[in-house]
Amino acid sequence: RKEVEQDPGPFNVPEGATVAFNCTYSNSASQSFFWYRQDCRKEPKLLMSVYSSGNEDGRFTAQLNRASQYISLLIRDSKLSDSATYLCVVKNYGGSQGNLIFGKGTKLSVKP
Amino acid sequence: ETGVTQSPTHLIKTRGQQVTLRCSSQSGHNTVSWYQQALGQGPQFIFQYYREEENGRGNFPPRFSGLQFPNYSSELNVNALELDDSALYLCASSLAEGSSYNEQFFGPGTRLTVL
Repeated sequence: RKEVEQDPGPFNVPEGATVAFNCTYSNSASQSFFWYRQDCRKEPKLLMSVYSSGNEDGRFTAQLNRASQYISLLIRDSKLSDSATYLCVVKNYGGSQGNLIFGKGTKLSVKP
Repeated sequence: ETGVTQSPTHLIKTRGQQVTLRCSSQSGHNTVSWYQQALGQGPQFIFQYYREEENGRGNFPPRFSGLQFPNYSSELNVNALELDDSALYLCASSLAEGSSYNEQFFGPGTRLTVL
């Protein structure tokens, strides 16, 4: 089983739609959680960190459920520029696990 | 402040050859991590360097090796290239301060094709 699993996608949505991505992680000791965005043939960039209390950044809302080991990202009022691959990322601490563990990513295409 | 840079941008090699990829970390950063991203997959952690020492390694064979220099720039070396080594190789730099986590900033990557 992969340590971080995401919805397979792709998601094709019209402009203005609300879209939700889900992610599960297998290591209950995971300590930090993030969503990264990766445009085609570009490097990943941090979209937002995910906190237990949930957090919002404009049209983006991230939620974390530690009991279920589940992370979500909600995008409201989708824009054409939101088209990208969204990567769910977990960070463990200690030893060789002190680095980012990425999911496979979910591709989002926002259409006019 | 300059961001993370990598060279070369693209590279084509044949099976069995060796390759060296380079990364310059962002100004003020002392830690460099390397990731391999195969087509359609998320990046996978190869290893991390902190103050010129390897500081953690993912599930990659010993033919993947690295260096970090006093200026915190880094190299990734891959020996005996295999077809499956074809991927985007990403370098990320960060500032390690005690046990706190600081954001890793990624470079644009080197796309390696092994024929």
